[in-house]
Amino acid sequence: AQTVTQSQPEMSVQEAETVTLSCTYDTSESDYYLFWYKQPPSRQMILVIRQEAYKQQNATENRFSVNFQKAAKSFSLKISDSQLGDAAMYFCAYTASNSGYALNFGKGTSLLVTP
Amino acid sequence: KAGVTQTPRYLIKTRGQQVTLSCSPISGHRSVSWYQQTPGQGLQFLFEYFSETQRNKGNFPGRFSGRQFSNSRSEMNVSTLELGDSALYLCASSLVGGTVNTEAFFGQGTRLTVV
Repeated sequence: AQTVTQSQPEMSVQEAETVTLSCTYDTSESDYYLFWYKQPPSRQMILVIRQEAYKQQNATENRFSVNFQKAAKSFSLKISDSQLGDAAMYFCAYTASNSGYALNFGKGTSLLVTP
Repeated sequence: KAGVTQTPRYLIKTRGQQVTLSCSPISGHRSVSWYQQTPGQGLQFLFEYFSETQRNKGNFPGRFSGRQFSNSRSEMNVSTLELGDSALYLCASSLVGGTVNTEAFFGQGTRLTVV
């Protein structure tokens, strides 16, 4: 079974600074997909960024980028120029065809952004 | 375009009762997935429906069931409620599901409390 581990229950960053959230996963699949989702207090899960395992290039979406280390099974999220609106729970998720593309989530990291 | 709508937003039920939660996907989306979110277990996949058929199922007891109607709206039912069923139930819709090529959009969830 695939597992997704987020070792940082809570993180804090100052506005305009950079923060990195960690995620590791375990899988025997060679073709899979990784995601970072944001869940603000409204509880609605919002896709932040996705990475295909077959792509060597790290995904980037504006201030959000990932560091995908396939051999190490590591998938960290870097948030640059942090904003107050970035405060939320962040979930790392994995999926692959052998699970019917159901999302397998980590336990989440609570990000606090201070002025 | 309206987002994913889940009703009700909050629900309080007594042990032993049954409950039905509703999810209206984004117009045109044919796949609906359900997830349970608890502080202890995190986010767990319940099932996915596509074109009125259950296409994928997570590891939950038979007390958890669902269905999808011809208009793609979905309901999930939990019978003989237990205290441990208290959770946030999230619904996600996507165009076709069963693939990562279309993004899943989440609703704001139904907060179920079993007393």
